[in-house]
Amino acid sequence: GDSVTQMEGPVTLSEEAFLTINCTYTATGYPSLFWYVQYPGEGLQLLLKATKADDKGSNKGFEATYRKETTSFHLEKGSVQVSDSAVYFCALRGETLTSGTYKYIFGTGTRLKVLA
Amino acid sequence: EAGVTQSPTHLIKTRGQQATLRCSPISGHTSVYWYQQALGLGLQFLLWYDEGEERNRGNFPPRFSGRQFPNYSSELNVNALELEDSALYLCASSLEQGNTQYFGPGTRLTVL
Repeated sequence: GDSVTQMEGPVTLSEEAFLTINCTYTATGYPSLFWYVQYPGEGLQLLLKATKADDKGSNKGFEATYRKETTSFHLEKGSVQVSDSAVYFCALRGETLTSGTYKYIFGTGTRLKVLA
Repeated sequence: EAGVTQSPTHLIKTRGQQATLRCSPISGHTSVYWYQQALGLGLQFLLWYDEGEERNRGNFPPRFSGRQFPNYSSELNVNALELEDSALYLCASSLEQGNTQYFGPGTRLTVL
């Protein structure tokens, strides 16, 4: 079945460091891919998304490119800030072949800690 | 535009009791999803409602149930609470099935 695999955390970086959080997926068909962020004590917020191969999603300095050949959607940011400390979830939206409905699969989340 | 709202923020129950959690989707959204986020685990899909009907459910026992009302708000009911039901329960809504999900702040359920 469809699945999402994220790198385990926590990831600890100094302010202004480069960030990469790896995400790979397995899916049938052509899923859409998402990154969500969860700040302490809050729900999930959509960070960015990509709906087809080679699309690049971007928001707030974060980027991720939908790579079908490597089935990956890695999250990157050139210079992290303390305020980026949160848990990041990779997710896919795939179509179930039997019912024609959509299903969402979330990764287990990667905690990012940015130190001043 | 108001986002997804959930109530209550926190809920404390004892084992064997029932819990009711509520969710109001973004105005115009017809699909509502429920997820369980237990400590140390990712999001586990619970239920999906669309246009008042249950469309799909995750791998949870039948004591987890819910419904969607004509105004598209939703309730999640958990019967015969067990200690391991303690978790953050997140509700999300989307414009229609398959569209991007937007999440509420969650209800933290503690079972003693």
